This record gives sequence, C-alpha cells and structure tokens, in this order.
Amino acid sequence: SQKIEQNSEALNIQEGKTATLTCNYTNYSPAYLQWYRQDPGRGPVFLLLIRENEKEKRKERLKVTFDTTLKQSLFHITASQPADSATYLCARRMDSSYKLIFGSGTRLLVRP
Amino acid sequence: NAGVTQTPKFRVLKTGQSMTLLCAQDMNHEYMYWYRQDPGMGLRLIHYSVGEGTTAKGEVPDGYNVSRLKKQNFLLGLESAAPSQTSVYFCASTPVGGREEQPDTQYFGPGTRLTVL
Repeated sequence: SQKIEQNSEALNIQEGKTATLTCNYTNYSPAYLQWYRQDPGRGPVFLLLIRENEKEKRKERLKVTFDTTLKQSLFHITASQPADSATYLCARRMDSSYKLIFGSGTRLLVRP
Repeated sequence: NAGVTQTPKFRVLKTGQSMTLLCAQDMNHEYMYWYRQDPGMGLRLIHYSVGEGTTAKGEVPDGYNVSRLKKQNFLLGLESAAPSQTSVYFCASTPVGGREEQPDTQYFGPGTRLTVL
C-alpha cells in the first residue's frame, strides 16, 4: 500500500538557519507531491506542489525537491523565522483518485 | 468568501450519544472530504464525496455516516459515539480538475475538536 513517512521528531533550529524537512514515500512515484503547513488549532494550508519531472520548486524562502530515485522530497525554509514554527505535512495522490494520503507531519520550532 | 467552515468548533459527548458535524464551502467545489487527526497518526480519510448526492468510504469509515444533499454542504454523523472517536475532525474541499499549477489542492476548514467521555 502507498505510504507517506515524515520524521515524527520535532526539528528545533535557530532563527536565520535553513530548516530541512524530509518526506519519504513507498511504491510507485506519484505524479506530484504537495506540502502543507498546519498551525496549532487550525486546518492545514497548501504551500507548494512539485511534479515528478521537476527537480526543484521555489516560492519565496521555500524550496522543495523531488528525487524519484530515493523516493523522497525535501522541504527547505531558508532564513527561518520564529513565525515559520508550525507542523509541515507532505501529501501524495492516492492512485488516480482525487484523494490524498498525508504524512503525520513534522513539527518545526524556530528559536529567536 | 468564507472558504470552508465547520460547525461546531468544540463538542463533548457521552458514550452512546449522537451528533452531526456540519461542513460548508462557498467555493463551488465538487469534491469534499472528512478527515480525523490524531496525535502521531496524521490525517486519515473517513468519507468523501465527489459530488452532490454521492458519498464513498475512506480509510476509517466505521462508526460514521455522511450525507451530501447540497453541493456546498457535507455532513458527518456519529450515531453512537465511542471514546475511540475522540479526535479533531477536519473537512476539506477541492475543485474538479483543480488549477493546472495546483491539481488536487485541498482547502481545509478550521476543525472540530470532539471529546467522547
């Protein structure tokens, strides 16, 4: 079955550093992977999507990579700020449906 | 444009009680979903709907029922609540086809925190 795995341990970094979060998937490569941000007490919010034929995607301080050989996506936040503290979720499409499979998320804490 | 809204925000039930969670979206999206989120387990799909009048089971449908009588509303029912259904419930929606640059993007509501005693 298809799975999405994210590091369950919180990532604790100093403000200004680059945060790197990992998303690993099983079985065949999805056509794309999505990244969402979730703040405490709120629903997830879409951030970025990267397709399997794209090596890298950027949006402001965010960068996502997709390595189909390693079956892995990396999510980077450069020049991190305390406001970036949140849980980040990775998701892939389930088969050919409009359903997504979400990872359990990685909590990021950025210290001032 | 309110996006996706959920009612209520919080609820405490006793075992065996029933309740209905309401999800509403004003974006004219075709697809709607109900998830539950538990610590360490991420979002798990309960039921979903691909259009008005249609529903389908997700990953963890037992103990829940749903209805989509109107395109903008998706109801989640618990007929006889159990402590195992204590969770945070999220509703989400997505347009058919999505935007080319953001296919399948899901738009989430703020969640309902349910406690079953």
